[in-house]
Amino acid sequence: QKEVEQNSGPLSVPEGAIASLNCTYSDRGSQSFFWYRQYSGKSPELIMSIYSNGDKEDGRFTAQLNKASQYVSLLIRDSQPSDSATYLCAVNAGSARQLTFGSGTQLTVLP
Amino acid sequence: DAGVIQSPRHEVTEMGQEVTLRCKPISGHDYLFWYRQTMMRGLELLIYFNNNVPIDDSGMPEDRFSAKMPNASFSTLKIQPSEPRDSAVYFCASSITGGNQPQHFGDGTRLSIL
Repeated sequence: QKEVEQNSGPLSVPEGAIASLNCTYSDRGSQSFFWYRQYSGKSPELIMSIYSNGDKEDGRFTAQLNKASQYVSLLIRDSQPSDSATYLCAVNAGSARQLTFGSGTQLTVLP
Repeated sequence: DAGVIQSPRHEVTEMGQEVTLRCKPISGHDYLFWYRQTMMRGLELLIYFNNNVPIDDSGMPEDRFSAKMPNASFSTLKIQPSEPRDSAVYFCASSITGGNQPQHFGDGTRLSIL
């Protein structure tokens, strides 16, 4: 059983729509949650971090965390073609420093 | 501030050759991570260091792989002998201790073993 699960997609949304990306994790002791964006041929780039239940907003991005249900999501409002990328969910459990990554969701924003 | 610096960006070599990948973490970061990314297996953690000391190398696939961190600003990942199945993108990432700090990735080395 994979520790961090994401829908692999591809997920396609029209420009201007809200893109919703979901991630579930298995370790209830997980404390830190990150979303990375990876363009094709590039390295993962941190776009959001969240540590407590609820919503965290940064510009067009909103991360949502529900520890009881063990899921974390990323909403992208007013999606742009430049948001087309693979989005990786990463989870850090307790005192361990290593991150466990999901397999990523490929997002395509159609002009 | 400079980010994580990796070299070379691309490496093409023949099976059996020794390959050395290099990484310079962000100044002040005391954690360094080596990852491998393939289409089939995604992003896999190979090994990580804290204050230049290897902490967990359980992700290193075989004895052909080795990693060192001789000082706080330099690390190497070596494959000897290399095999075609080692072809992948290898990323180095670093983070700072304290709290739940995220990892910052270098641009990666795209390795092709012929």
